[in-house]
Amino acid sequence: ETGVTQTPRHLVMGMTNKKSLKCEQHLGHNAMYWYKQSAKKPLELMFVYNFKEQTENNSVPSRFSPECPNSSHLFLHLHTLQPEDSALYLCASSQPGQSYNSPLHFGNGTRLTVT
Amino acid sequence: GQQVMQIPQYQHVQEGEDFTTYCNSSTTLSNIQWYKQRPGGHPVFLIQLVKSGEVKKQKRLTFQFGEAKKNSSLHITATQTTDVGTYFCAGHSNYQLIWGAGTKLIIKP
Repeated sequence: ETGVTQTPRHLVMGMTNKKSLKCEQHLGHNAMYWYKQSAKKPLELMFVYNFKEQTENNSVPSRFSPECPNSSHLFLHLHTLQPEDSALYLCASSQPGQSYNSPLHFGNGTRLTVT
Repeated sequence: GQQVMQIPQYQHVQEGEDFTTYCNSSTTLSNIQWYKQRPGGHPVFLIQLVKSGEVKKQKRLTFQFGEAKKNSSLHITATQTTDVGTYFCAGHSNYQLIWGAGTKLIIKP
């Protein structure tokens, strides 16, 4: 039922691999987000895009590289990851034009395991 | 930095018992949102509270926002198996959304 679709659902990669996570939203929103979810920790905001422009980068290591070609698509390119990067990566969208406080709509996430 | 503390981390209840989770912020919030994440799922927005002292109800769920807009609670009356999951609060402060770590509701068999 989600209007935000993430692929793949699961990803196992070695530390030397390069992979990409994809997110697509069908809600007509103009803001998209990448979050990292680790067990027993609050959701960690990684990147924010508003109208395709990156507006926030929360001191994320350069081995994570976002790309937002348009308001409906968001990618997270991964390279030379570390085992501690294993987590659930969630994409979300919202409509900040109405309010900075609009609720987030999340995708199902990509469960990433780095071996 | 700004933090939202959420307690408890886990709560085990018998089906039919009540459940409550609490969030406390180190700063005044402009609003607070609540989300539910089912096991294996993703966070789903439940509700947003904006006004000081606001109380909102959704069937068996009651949400409160404190008078000082620094704390909030979610209370579930007579839990059911469908309530299982992790409940997160997230408060807006200085244009940032600050998340609590979540409270996991577990129904005892």
